[in-house]
Amino acid sequence: AQTVTQSQPEMSVQEAETVTLSCTYDTSESDYYLFWYKQPPSRQMILVIRQEAYKQQNATENRFSVNFQKAAKSFSLKISDSQLGDAAMYFCAYYSGAGSYQLTFGKGTKLSVIP
Amino acid sequence: DVKVTQSSRYLVKRTGEKVFLECVQDMDHENMFWYRQDPGLGLRLIYFSYDVKMKEKGDIPEGYSVSREKKERFSLILESASTNQTSMYLCASSLIARVENQPQHFGDGTRLSIL
Repeated sequence: AQTVTQSQPEMSVQEAETVTLSCTYDTSESDYYLFWYKQPPSRQMILVIRQEAYKQQNATENRFSVNFQKAAKSFSLKISDSQLGDAAMYFCAYYSGAGSYQLTFGKGTKLSVIP
Repeated sequence: DVKVTQSSRYLVKRTGEKVFLECVQDMDHENMFWYRQDPGLGLRLIYFSYDVKMKEKGDIPEGYSVSREKKERFSLILESASTNQTSMYLCASSLIARVENQPQHFGDGTRLSIL
């Protein structure tokens, strides 16, 4: 069974600075998908960024980018120029794409942004 | 935009009551999911459904049941509520054909307290 590990329960960053959230996963599959979800306080969880395992290029969405290391099974999220609105719980998630529609989530990292 | 609507943001019930949590999506998605979210444990899948009247157990189905009589609606039922079921409950949906692109759309969540 796949597992997703987020080793940092809480992190903080100064406004306008850069922060990296860690995620590692365990799988025996070669093709899969990885995601970062953001859950602001009392608000809906939304998809931030996705990565396809067969693509070597790291995904980027505006200030959000990932560092995908397939061999190391690592999928970290970098947030550049942090803003107050980035404060949220961040969840890393794995999807095998092998007929099961389930996502496997990490336990989350709570990010605080300091003004 | 996809809309996943959960019937209540906050709900307070008593031990032993039968509790219904309702979720409706408006984008004709085949898959629907129920999670519970607890601090330090992340999201854990309770049940999911890939079609009307079809259901599959997730990781923690004990004490819960589900109903999917119509494609757009997925209900979570606590047969006899207990205090250890106090939690945040999240509903999600996804389109089979696009799971790898946008795996799941989430509702706002229902914070359930069992007294």
